[in-house]
Amino acid sequence: TQLLEQSPQFLSIQEGENLTVYCNSSSVFSSLQWYRQEPGEGPVLLVTVVTGGEVKKLKRLTFQFGDARKDSSLHITAAQPGDTGLYLCAGARQAGTALIFGKGTTLSVSS
Amino acid sequence: NAGVTQTPKFQVLKTGQSMTLQCAQDMNHEYMSWYRQDPGMGLRLIHYSVGAGITDQGEVPNGYNVSRSTTEDFPLRLLSAAPSQTSVYFCASGRRGLMAGELFFGEGSRLTVL
Repeated sequence: TQLLEQSPQFLSIQEGENLTVYCNSSSVFSSLQWYRQEPGEGPVLLVTVVTGGEVKKLKRLTFQFGDARKDSSLHITAAQPGDTGLYLCAGARQAGTALIFGKGTTLSVSS
Repeated sequence: NAGVTQTPKFQVLKTGQSMTLQCAQDMNHEYMSWYRQDPGMGLRLIHYSVGAGITDQGEVPNGYNVSRSTTEDFPLRLLSAAPSQTSVYFCASGRRGLMAGELFFGEGSRLTVL
């Protein structure tokens, strides 16, 4: 059973388009994180959200944590080829416990 | 800054052989963990440790052993390698507490079992 469901699994878009990636669960998480991974490298943290309803912005990326702390979304505005990569959401059921990852969303942005 | 260092980066084993993947971090992080990454499966937690002398199983622990004798090191042992253990392995470390979920990853170790 996958605790964190990500959708879509694959996304191929043109430069300049907007997109949203979703991370859903039936469980409550103390925090959710979004990571980005490029080929041949380990994932790198983009953002952590800890408060239900929280919205964080990182340049063209907007992250939201659901009010019930069961889901999160990543919205990219005006995607660029440099945004290409694997986006992973990850959650901790309780602070100080192990981090569980979703299966990831592979994003391809072409110019 | 070294961060999280994994060795080796590549390894080919025959079925039944044993080996150890090494992981070291220089950030004084209490929390360390091992994940495996397979196509379409995301990252699956193998074992983790919240401090020296403390380890626990993750989602897919079978066939793997770990120990944590120091804060810095967290080796992953394959006792008798199987083709199903062909994967990319990532070690990650982080601080405990409210922001315990923020992990810093190594570059990965690609293992092939023939």
